[in-house]
Amino acid sequence: AQSVAQPEDQVNVAEGNPLTVKCTYSVSGNPYLFWYVQYPNRGLQFLLKYITGDNLVKGSYGFEAEFNKSQTSFHLKKPSALVSDSALYFCAVRDMETGGFKTIFGAGTRLFVKA
Amino acid sequence: DTGVSQNPRHKITKRGQNVTFRCDPISEHNRLYWYRQTLGQGPEFLTYFQNEAQLEKSRLLSDRFSAERPKGSFSTLEIQRTEQGDSAMYLCASTSRTSGTYEQFFGPGTRLTVL
Repeated sequence: AQSVAQPEDQVNVAEGNPLTVKCTYSVSGNPYLFWYVQYPNRGLQFLLKYITGDNLVKGSYGFEAEFNKSQTSFHLKKPSALVSDSALYFCAVRDMETGGFKTIFGAGTRLFVKA
Repeated sequence: DTGVSQNPRHKITKRGQNVTFRCDPISEHNRLYWYRQTLGQGPEFLTYFQNEAQLEKSRLLSDRFSAERPKGSFSTLEIQRTEQGDSAMYLCASTSRTSGTYEQFFGPGTRLTVL
């Protein structure tokens, strides 16, 4: 079965510092990987995806993610954190085993950026 | 607002009652998904529609849950004989068949509390 794991419940970083939110995955075949962000009282918003191509993908709000096949990881990164980046971040994988209809989400990582 | 909308935003009900939620996807999107999210967890896939056809349904979805999308536009999710364990945020998402990004657009959710 395909799955994603987010090993950190919470990440704390100071404003201006680089941030990393970790994600590892387990899939059969080529992975379709995503990052979504959830702000309080708002729906999930798409940040970025990896389908194929360059291992470093860029997304919204200055975020990027690095796909590493050998380590089965897809960590979310940002060079300089903002207080407004504080939110809940979800890594997700599209379940291609069952036709690609289902997206499997990790448990989420809460990011706190301190001023 | 041309995003995904969900109604009601909050629903409090007593155990044993039936509830129905509505989702209006982005108008040109033919694919619609329902998810359930509990505190501290990522969204959990419930079911998927392509136009009016329900193509995938989670095994976690008991017989008390039913979803429809009669005209391929809005969708409803009904829970019969609610239980306290049904308390959760119910999320709807949509995407377009022609979207090359596989990005899902999420609504704000309906928060269900079963007393």
